[in-house]
Amino acid sequence: EDQVTQSPEALRLQEGESSSLNCSYTVSGLRGLFWYRQDPGKGPEFLFTLYSAGEEKEKERLKATLTKKESFLHITAPKPEDSATYLCAVQATASNYQLIWGAGTKLIIKP
Amino acid sequence: EAGVAQSPRYKIIEKRQSVAFWCNPISGHATLYWYQQILGQGPKLLIQFQNNGVVDDSQLPKDRFSAERLKGVDSTLKIQPAKLEDSAVYLCASSLVGQGATSPLHFGNGTRLTVT
Repeated sequence: EDQVTQSPEALRLQEGESSSLNCSYTVSGLRGLFWYRQDPGKGPEFLFTLYSAGEEKEKERLKATLTKKESFLHITAPKPEDSATYLCAVQATASNYQLIWGAGTKLIIKP
Repeated sequence: EAGVAQSPRYKIIEKRQSVAFWCNPISGHATLYWYQQILGQGPKLLIQFQNNGVVDDSQLPKDRFSAERLKGVDSTLKIQPAKLEDSAVYLCASSLVGQGATSPLHFGNGTRLTVT
């Protein structure tokens, strides 16, 4: 069964303390892996799409990487405004191209 | 570019009542999605439209939920009658391309439904 698992469920960091969020997946026929950011009371906001193992994308303090089994969202020297829930979703041929979503990691950055 | 518009932002109803949500996607986006998001979970697809045709409604509880997209633009999602377990945020999203293509979704801010 196609599945996406995110860990940890929640992560508390001090401002400036770098860390990584994990998204592991078991799907057949990966077409793309998406990272979204969701603020309280808002809809998810698109961050990155990764298509193949070895690919990396960067945006400000965020860097997303992809292997054949998982993706990491690395956050370098985070600021309080980076606090949000980060969602991972996978699109695969076996799931009729519908996105399979993880439950998200809630990131809290303390000043 | 204007984002995905949804209304209302909040709705409180009693069980067995009916409710409707409205969505206006980004101009030019052919594909429109309705998702249900329960607190602490990822979004769950309810229905996907390509222009004004249904592409996937396999997870839509059709005995109580209905959706339409007239003229391939705006869409409405209706629940009748509502149950307690329908309490969730209902998100509308749109994308430039549709089935089989890899294209990011653009989400509205959702409607938070509370059923008492």
